[in-house]
Amino acid sequence: EVQLLESGGGLVQPGGSLRLSCAASGFTFSNYAMSWVRQAPGKGLEWVSSIGAGGDSTYYADSVKGRFTISRDSSKDTLYLQMNSLRAEDTAVYYCAKDYRSVPAAHQYNWFDPWGQGTLVTVSS
Amino acid sequence: DIQMTQSPSSLSASVGDRVTITCRASQSISSYLNWYQQKSGKAPKLLIYGASSLQSGVPSRFSGSGSGTDFTLTISSLQPEDFATYYCQQTYSPVGFGGGTKVEIK
Repeated sequence: EVQLLESGGGLVQPGGSLRLSCAASGFTFSNYAMSWVRQAPGKGLEWVSSIGAGGDSTYYADSVKGRFTISRDSSKDTLYLQMNSLRAEDTAVYYCAKDYRSVPAAHQYNWFDPWGQGTLVTVSS
Repeated sequence: DIQMTQSPSSLSASVGDRVTITCRASQSISSYLNWYQQKSGKAPKLLIYGASSLQSGVPSRFSGSGSGTDFTLTISSLQPEDFATYYCQQTYSPVGFGGGTKVEIK
């Protein structure tokens, strides 16, 4: 069974940093792209970032570009999201998800399945 | 960026009703459109991919249609476990979600 388990969320002050982790199991992690999606309290889903299977192609939403870094460690079957210069508007539940494809290129069929249970990040003083 | 507009934003329906949710893209996205169901406090679950393909294990009362800019998710006979929020997602460029449609009990 494919499982994704996020960790690392918590309360952080504005301007602070946090690193989220997503431990994967039940599939060959190194064969698939992975993504992060967030959901602010009471709001809809917002794509944050994606990374290709090899780790050499990364993509970011404009809202986090330059502040967040996605990475992966295939020796540990773990996906990461390093979040710096955090703002109040980054407060959300952060989900990791497995992509259908190995490279999340545009203009191609792709979808996210499954998703982890999410980890809450709260940015507040 | 491609804007995804879902309508309605919420609806009330009864068990057994036929429910239709619409998702419109601001430009053509071919069939690069997926649908997810999210229940309160839970992670989203994939229902439909490629606009019309049913994900394995998803009941056949769910169906998707459309291409280009206009897409539809239909629940043929609403069941108690279907009360949830539904999101469309485009993967044309790069990735984006609709605002969601909350399906509530009438």
